[in-house]
Amino acid sequence: IAGITQAPTSQILAAGRRMTLRCTQDMRHNAMYWYRQDLGLGLRLIHYSNTAGTTGKGEVPDGYSVSRANTDDFPLTLASAVPSQTSVYFCASSPVAGDTNEQFFGPGTRLTVL
Amino acid sequence: GQNIDQPTEMTATEGAIVQINCTYQTSGFNGLFWYQQHAGEAPTFLSYNVLDGLEEKGRFSSFLSRSKGYSYLLLKELQMKDSASYLCAVRDSNYQLIWGAGTKLIIKP
Repeated sequence: IAGITQAPTSQILAAGRRMTLRCTQDMRHNAMYWYRQDLGLGLRLIHYSNTAGTTGKGEVPDGYSVSRANTDDFPLTLASAVPSQTSVYFCASSPVAGDTNEQFFGPGTRLTVL
Repeated sequence: GQNIDQPTEMTATEGAIVQINCTYQTSGFNGLFWYQQHAGEAPTFLSYNVLDGLEEKGRFSSFLSRSKGYSYLLLKELQMKDSASYLCAVRDSNYQLIWGAGTKLIIKP
C-alpha cells in the first residue's frame, strides 16, 4: 500500500540522548517535510527537502537535523534531546515542491523527552 | 509576521450545517488548504483554493476571498464522523505552508 511510514510510533527519551525519527515514502514524491504539532499551536515546519540531495530549514530548525540521501527516506535527528522537544512529529511528502498538490502525512511519532 | 486565525472550538448538531472561518495574514499567497485531523491521527487533505470563489466537493465546500484574507469551510449534513479538528493552511511566497492552530468541531446527536 502506497504511503508514508514513520517509526517509532512513540518514544520516551531521556534528556541529552540522541534520537532519530525515521520516515519513508513509496510514492516517489520529490518533496518531503518534517513538522511538529503542539497543543494550541499550528503545525510548525522543522526542515524540508525539495528533492533528494537537498534540504532546507523551516520555522523551528534549532536542535534538529535532517538528511535526504535518496528519494524515499527523510530521517530527522535530535542530537541532544531537551524537554521542549516533547511533541508529535509528522513527516509529509508532496509530488513536487511549490505546486498545487497537497501534502500527504505519515501517522506521526509521539515523542516525550524527560 | 505571518498569522492564521481560526476559532478554537465549535459545536454543531448532527444533520446540521456548520461554517468554520479562517483569516490569514501572510507574506504572499499561493493557495489555501483545508485539512481534517481526527484525534490521534494524521491530517488528511480536504480542499484547495487559489482563486476567489466557492469550491464544492460533496458535503464539503470551501470559499476564498483573497482581497479579504478570508476563507471558510462549509460542512453540510453533519455526521458524527465529522467530529475532528479542521486545519487551515496558507502557502506563502516561499511556497511553504503556514498552519492555523485548528478548529475542534464537536458534533452532538
